[in-house]
Amino acid sequence: GAVVSQHPSWVICKSGTSVKIECRSLDFQATTMFWYRQFPKQSLMLMATSNEGSKATYEQGVEKDKFLINHASLTLSTLTVTSAHPEDSSFYICSAPDRTGNQPQHFGDGTRLSIL
Amino acid sequence: QKEVEQDPGPLSVPEGAIVSLNCTYSNSAFQYFMWYRQYSRKGPELLMYTYSSGNKEDGRFTAQVDKSSKYISLFIRDSQPSDSATYLCAIRAGGYQKVTFGTGTKLQVIP
Repeated sequence: GAVVSQHPSWVICKSGTSVKIECRSLDFQATTMFWYRQFPKQSLMLMATSNEGSKATYEQGVEKDKFLINHASLTLSTLTVTSAHPEDSSFYICSAPDRTGNQPQHFGDGTRLSIL
Repeated sequence: QKEVEQDPGPLSVPEGAIVSLNCTYSNSAFQYFMWYRQYSRKGPELLMYTYSSGNKEDGRFTAQVDKSSKYISLFIRDSQPSDSATYLCAIRAGGYQKVTFGTGTKLQVIP
């Protein structure tokens, strides 16, 4: 069964709205979670690394004020797309490595974000 | 040069064929090698995971790693229409290091 749960799976909203996406590890604690973005027919691009109890680490070119990440507990990380615009429409996916850190990442099922 | 190179395809094969998917990488620091399968509008699903050169087999899937050539492969035997998906190779240096993905190869298995 799924070990990483992502919610919502699909959201449509108006331009200017802020949207929050949740990523939960279901049966393990995740001190680190990763947020990816995937455009149609393209691969996953890492946006940021979410660290429990500390600030997220953003990849080059990703606006930290635009994509707010909060990792308040060992099982939950959230990504908030602030003042979303049509160009933010994409497929957002989170992942978490197993507690040992040496196991491969488990992925959520993704959130399809459509900004009108 | 990209860290991971993967032919995007698409690759179309008849049912029952052996499928070969490949990736090359440039950084010898990479130690962990994974193959994920992604269906449309879904998150990637782990298929194979290995951290050493050689072959690893799991049912119809075989992952092959050649660190000296920086080349990894995934073989699918007796391919089925349900195998139709995008296959992503993924590589990591170690521990909590970030994962670098290939662009993905779209596979279609025709009944």
